[in-house]
Amino acid sequence: AIQMTQSPSSLSASVRDRVTINCRASQDIRDAVAWFQQKPGKAPKLLIYAASTLETGVPSRFSGSGSGTDFTLTISRLQPEDFATYYCLQDHSYPRTFGQGTKLEVK
Amino acid sequence: QVQLVESGGGVVHPGRSLRLSCAASGFSFSNYAMHWVRQAPGKGLEWVAVISYDGTKYYYADSMKGRFTISRDNSKNTLYLEMSSLRGEDTAVYYCAREMLGLPLDSWGQGTLVTVSS
Repeated sequence: AIQMTQSPSSLSASVRDRVTINCRASQDIRDAVAWFQQKPGKAPKLLIYAASTLETGVPSRFSGSGSGTDFTLTISRLQPEDFATYYCLQDHSYPRTFGQGTKLEVK
Repeated sequence: QVQLVESGGGVVHPGRSLRLSCAASGFSFSNYAMHWVRQAPGKGLEWVAVISYDGTKYYYADSMKGRFTISRDNSKNTLYLEMSSLRGEDTAVYYCAREMLGLPLDSWGQGTLVTVSS
């Protein structure tokens, strides 16, 4: 199975900061990565798919990049509602695998 | 609007079985592959299984092969997960989610909690 190594596991930041979250795949998965945001007690929400395509309705301060094995989620200017946990997912092949998650907290 | 509603969770003894359901509405259910994803308390997301739009193909996470069975009834717009030989480590919130080619897991249910405990 493809392993997705996500870093960091936690991150402290302030409103208006720029933050980046990384995922590394254990093999080449082209652009088959999606990013999700999850708030406590809620279902995950799709933010980005195909590594860099913004899901409809997601603010443009979210962006994704990368291909092959290294992928990045960037939030350009943090807003209060962005403090949450973020996960990457490889959808290149089965079994699908998620990264371990990154908890974004208020500094 | 798109709605996915899971049900069937609860407390079950180790070794027993449980069937989860996911009722879909607001979209053409038979056009979408469907997934189950779970999340143990305080832990990350774990992919469980997927079934193709027509029910002819399915895949499982290695740790669930042979114990879990995914199925669907397109006439009832419902997805199922039959879980057997349940263990404590299967305790989790179980989510269903839909997928169309190129757009992975774009809508999720609210989840149903399964607690495996004696």
